[in-house]
Amino acid sequence: DIVMTQSPDSLAVSLGERATINCKSSQSVLYSSSSKNYLAWYQQRPGQPPKLLIYWASTREFGVPDRFSGSGSGTDFTLTISSLQAEDVAVYYCQQYYNIPITFGPGTKVDIK
Amino acid sequence: QGQVVQSGAEVKKPGASVKVSCKASGYTFTSYGISWVRQAPGQGLEWMGWIATYTGHTKYTQRFQGRVTMTTDTSTSTAYMELRSLRSDDTAVYYCARAPASDEYSYMDVWGKGTTVTVSS
Repeated sequence: DIVMTQSPDSLAVSLGERATINCKSSQSVLYSSSSKNYLAWYQQRPGQPPKLLIYWASTREFGVPDRFSGSGSGTDFTLTISSLQAEDVAVYYCQQYYNIPITFGPGTKVDIK
Repeated sequence: QGQVVQSGAEVKKPGASVKVSCKASGYTFTSYGISWVRQAPGQGLEWMGWIATYTGHTKYTQRFQGRVTMTTDTSTSTAYMELRSLRSDDTAVYYCARAPASDEYSYMDVWGKGTTVTVSS
């Protein structure tokens, strides 16, 4: 199984400041023939289901604010929230869909400082 | 955009089975797969498996092999997940989610609100 790790476990950021979450996979999730990274990011607010933010490592889902961006390739990925808003308080998960079983990172909790 | 609506909360005794439904609307059901993901209380997300709604082909996580069955009814655009021989550590919220890819290697773009399954004697 591909093991996904995330850092930090939690972070507190002031409103309007940048939040950066890292995700690392135990093996590459880059499919060479398509040059696509099989990596997605989700946001889960308290009491709600996960919401897709980013897929193919950097493609923003329709309707997701452009303050959310994804980057990285191979085994190392980053989700950046450029200017934290109150509604961004949530747990963020990365997910690989390169191999079965699909696996998620343990999550990073984002709070307001 | 589409949505998926799940069945209501269940309380089961150890050893019993549970069947959760997931009714799709607002999109062509057979053009997308359905993945099932669970989340134990206070824990992270665990992918259980995937079903191709058009063919019925399934892919399950090894740890659920033999205990889980995923099916679909294309006439009602509904997917089902049955989990048997329930244990207390199966207590979780079970989510169905639409999978846009043509195979099991997919992210999930539309999620149900979740079905809480409680296993308790």
